[in-house]
Amino acid sequence: NAGVTQTPKFQVLKTGQSMTLQCAQDMNHNSMYWYRQDPGMGLRLIYYSASEGTTDKGEVPNGYNVSRLNKREFSLRLESAAPSQTSVYFCASSPGIFYEQYFGPGTRLTVT
Amino acid sequence: AQSVTQPDIHITVSEGASLELRCNYSYGATPYLFWYVQSPGQGLQLLLKYFSGDTLVQGIKGFEAEFKRSQSSFNLRKPSVHWSDAAEYFCAVGEGGGFKTIFGAGTRLFVKA
Repeated sequence: NAGVTQTPKFQVLKTGQSMTLQCAQDMNHNSMYWYRQDPGMGLRLIYYSASEGTTDKGEVPNGYNVSRLNKREFSLRLESAAPSQTSVYFCASSPGIFYEQYFGPGTRLTVT
Repeated sequence: AQSVTQPDIHITVSEGASLELRCNYSYGATPYLFWYVQSPGQGLQLLLKYFSGDTLVQGIKGFEAEFKRSQSSFNLRKPSVHWSDAAEYFCAVGEGGGFKTIFGAGTRLFVKA
C-alpha cells in the first residue's frame, strides 16, 4: 500500500516549457487535490476533483490544467511555465466522507 | 469566507517541556478541524481531526487538541516534547461539503536540547 505517489520528485524548467506532474493513489479514494506550497503561505489549492469525472478550480488555478484520468490518477499540467510557478507541489486524496486528506511526498519545481 | 490563523510563525521549546500551538478559525457553521504535521522534505501527515462530539480530541504521537467554539480556537497541545517533534504544523478547516480545506500558514517548531 503505497498511499499517494507523485512523480517526478524534482524538476527544473525554463520559462515557457510545459510539463505534467503525475499523482496516483491506491486507497480507492473518491477525491483528489493539487496544492502548491510557498514559504509563509501554507498550502493553496490549485484544483480538485471531488469524484472521478469531475474537476473544479481552487484558489490559484491560473496557469494550470488538470486531468482526472481515472479514480486512481490525477495529473497537473503547466502549459507554459513561469518563474512564479516555482514552488513545491503536493497531491492529496480523501475518502470524500471524513474529509481528512492523505498527502504525497511532493514535487519541487524550479522555473528559471 | 473561511480563514485559519496561526499567530506564531515559529516556536522554540526545550525537550521535555510542554507545547501549545495556537489556531483560530473563521467559519459560520460547525467546522471540521484538522492538525497536520510536515517534517522537512516530506508531505503532510494528519495528527488529529475534530468533526463533532467530545471537544478534546486525541491524535497520534501524543498530541491532543481542544475545540473551543466560544473562542473559535483549536489549539494543539503536547505535555512533553521530544526532539523528533521538530517540524512544521498546520491547522486546517474543512469547508462544508468536505471538498475544500483551508490551511493556515503554519507554525515551525524548534526543539532545543
